[in-house]
Amino acid sequence: DTAVSQTPKYLVTQMGNDKSIKCEQNLGHDTMYWYKQDSKKFLKIMFSYNNKELIINETVPNRFSPKSPDKAHLNLHINSLELGDSAVYFCASNLAGAAETQYFGPGTRLLVL
Amino acid sequence: DQQVKQNSPSLSVQEGRISILNCDYTNSMFDYFLWYKKYPAEGPTFLISISSIKDKNEDGRFTVFLNKSAKHLSLHIVPSQPGDSAVYFCAASSGGATNKLIFGTGTLLAVQP
Repeated sequence: DTAVSQTPKYLVTQMGNDKSIKCEQNLGHDTMYWYKQDSKKFLKIMFSYNNKELIINETVPNRFSPKSPDKAHLNLHINSLELGDSAVYFCASNLAGAAETQYFGPGTRLLVL
Repeated sequence: DQQVKQNSPSLSVQEGRISILNCDYTNSMFDYFLWYKKYPAEGPTFLISISSIKDKNEDGRFTVFLNKSAKHLSLHIVPSQPGDSAVYFCAASSGGATNKLIFGTGTLLAVQP
């Protein structure tokens, strides 16, 4: 019954590795997002996809590559992980259109050693 | 440059009393404002929102007030309950197709029994 789900919930890895985080929503929403919450608890948008098309790409290093195989899924692949990538990554979704409430997943806690 | 600010990192209130959480913004193009509640190890959950054409929106124990001239909004919770203890994030959107939310850094509310 989970509306927005993310896997894995926790991820501990070494610097330089490549890892992926998956997100799925069963709400029938058109738009999906990735947010990053850093150590200062600042929640900031990274990417947004609408019907599998990229519509927001904030100033994020090229090592981060989102992929949307269909409108219910938005995955995040990170190459050459760095210490500063340690954060909590949240996926969210909403129906297309302005001022629509976004629904968030439980978060993926990434720790890069 | 932080466009949405929550200057109080924490707030402690007695059960049954009123909790007032504040949020300031700098971008006059924002036209939609939301409050999210977040428990530890969970994603933010939508609480209440307000459009810039209104100055008040009420939902049960929760009321959001918007003062556009002061670029300030506040969330009132009355009466406060121990289960309200969580981090509260203020967010703002300038609408348009992207529905990009800009979040504040959150206020940790502790409701003492």
